[in-house]
This record gives sequence, structure tokens and C-alpha cells, in this order.
Amino acid sequence: ETGVTQSPTHLIKTRGQQVTLRCSSQSGHNTVSWYQQALGQGPQFIFQYYREEENGRGNFPPRFSGLQFPNYSSELNVNALELDDSALYLCASSQPSSGGETQYFGPGTRLLVL
Amino acid sequence: KQEVTQIPAALSVPEGENLVLNCSFTDSAIYNLQWFRQDPGKGLTSLLLIQSSQREQTSGRLNASLDKSSGRSTLYIAASQPGDSATYLCAVANQAGTALIFGKGTTLSVSS
Repeated sequence: ETGVTQSPTHLIKTRGQQVTLRCSSQSGHNTVSWYQQALGQGPQFIFQYYREEENGRGNFPPRFSGLQFPNYSSELNVNALELDDSALYLCASSQPSSGGETQYFGPGTRLLVL
Repeated sequence: KQEVTQIPAALSVPEGENLVLNCSFTDSAIYNLQWFRQDPGKGLTSLLLIQSSQREQTSGRLNASLDKSSGRSTLYIAASQPGDSATYLCAVANQAGTALIFGKGTTLSVSS
């Protein structure tokens, strides 16, 4: 059973650019959630996808968007990057429909916006 | 709006001590509560998950308790080791399969 993987591990962008982060869910998991973790803070929920549909969204602007693919891998896209977008981005997969409510997190992508 | 608070923010103990980390939440109508460990710059590792109907869960040297009515959970670590040094995060889910709401964490340092 493979765990949750994310790519890239680190990324540097400049203000105004766009970025795409990728996540591969744990085998058999159909739900993926994305979180943003600023330095010294707990993770903040961005959105969740269940079977390719958005299934909940946190307090993030529309320039944060996502996709989930038929193989349950996922992307997080951020447009018009701002300095405050610098953070660790975490994805987590789970299988709630089978009673598996534990969320399994990937290692994260650290994004720095200059 | 659910808010999760963790106290203390940081804790330093000598090896071998038993210790307790605290987590409180403002809305007692939770679905479950989860404790995670995070090493510096890394992702989160799930330690224990307590369903709202449960009072505690144990895994090895870790024991987590839940008192929904008072909005509190504690993580008890027995016989602490330097390898336990990390940030411990508490998170609640208000409904099944939904977003986790995290506290800011307690950073633990265990010295040998």
C-alpha cells in the first residue's frame, strides 16, 4: 500500500505568477483534502474533493482552485500569487465512505513567493 | 465557528518524564478528534483518532482522552524519549469525512 505523495517538494515563485501542486492519494482512497500551513500555525482547510467533485471549501479566495482525476490524484492551482501564499501545502487522503475517517497526509510542498 | 486551542505552545522535559498535552474546542458537537505529530518541515502523521462516542484511545505509550461535554482532549505521553520531540497537533471534524480544524500545536522537546 503506497502512501500519499506530493510534488514538487519545494518551489519558488514570484508575485503574480501561477503555480500547480500535485498530490497522489493513498491507494483506494477516493477523497482528498488540501490544507495550507503558514509558519508556526496549524493547517487551514482549503477544499476537499470526493469522486472528482468539490465537496467543501474553506475561507480561501477563488484564485485557489483544484481538480481531482479519475485515479483520485489531485491538483491545487493558485493564480496571481501573493507573498502571503508562502506556506507548506499539505494534501490528505481518506476513504470516509468505507468508515475510514483517518486522514493520511503527504509530506507537503513548501512554496515560497518572492 | 469551531475554534481549537492547544496549551502549552511549547514544552521542554527531560527524558523519562510523563507528560500531558491539552486541546480544547469551542463547539462540542464534533464527529471525531484526531491527534497528529509533525516533525520540522514535514507532513503530519496520525497518532490517534477518537470518535465522538469514545472516551479514550491508546497506542503504545500514547493515550488520548476526550470529554466532549467540556470541549477538551488530552494526549498523555508516558516515559518520554528524545525521539518524541516534535510538534503535536490536535484537530476536530464536525461531520463525517469533512474538513479538519486544527489547533496551532504544542512543540515538545525531550532532552536526554
